[in-house]
Amino acid sequence: QVQLQESGPGLVKPSQTLSLTCTVSGGSISSGGYYWSWIRQHPGKGLEWIGYIYYSGSTYYNPSLKSRVTISVDTSKNQFSLKLSSVTAADTAVYYCARVTRGQAIDYWGQGTLVTVSS
Amino acid sequence: EIVLTQSPGTLSLSPGERATLSCRASQSVSSSYLAWYQQKPGQAPRLLIYGASSRATGIPDRFSGSGSGTDFTLTISRLEPEDFAVYYCQQYGSAITFGQGTRLEIK
Repeated sequence: QVQLQESGPGLVKPSQTLSLTCTVSGGSISSGGYYWSWIRQHPGKGLEWIGYIYYSGSTYYNPSLKSRVTISVDTSKNQFSLKLSSVTAADTAVYYCARVTRGQAIDYWGQGTLVTVSS
Repeated sequence: EIVLTQSPGTLSLSPGERATLSCRASQSVSSSYLAWYQQKPGQAPRLLIYGASSRATGIPDRFSGSGSGTDFTLTISRLEPEDFAVYYCQQYGSAITFGQGTRLEIK
């Protein structure tokens, strides 16, 4: 059973960089066949795909966030990470890490972590 | 970007009734890349349907998906108390996008 767990600061100041890490257990990122993704949900709102990465390092980003997003992978630690730069209050959201199948369905999700942008 | 519009925004039904949720795309979507999720308060979404009509592992057969092109439907044949939640459709074209959600509430 694959499990994903987000970690990182719950509070980030405006204009700074939001950094989160997702640790995967029960399966290896290096085994291939899946994309490893970040998705966010603004309070009381719907879901927004941020981007994903393949174990090889290939990345795909939401065009609306692309200029501020970097997703990286560390296969030795079975982790992948998100950096979102120049944050504002509009980036306050629950951030989920997740696994995406080749069919682009999201079959495993982390529990989510709330990140608040505030001074 | 493909925009998904879900209707209705809120659906009020009673346990035992049939629920029909709609997802309409702004342009044609490959059925291979259309999925449905259920989300309960304080929880991550759960995959219900992928490839427009295939049930994910462990999903009861009262959940079914159908449709093609720009019109897709999630049907719950007989509502159980645990089915009252928010439902999202999702597609992949050049990027992943989600619908805005349908809230299924107890009448």
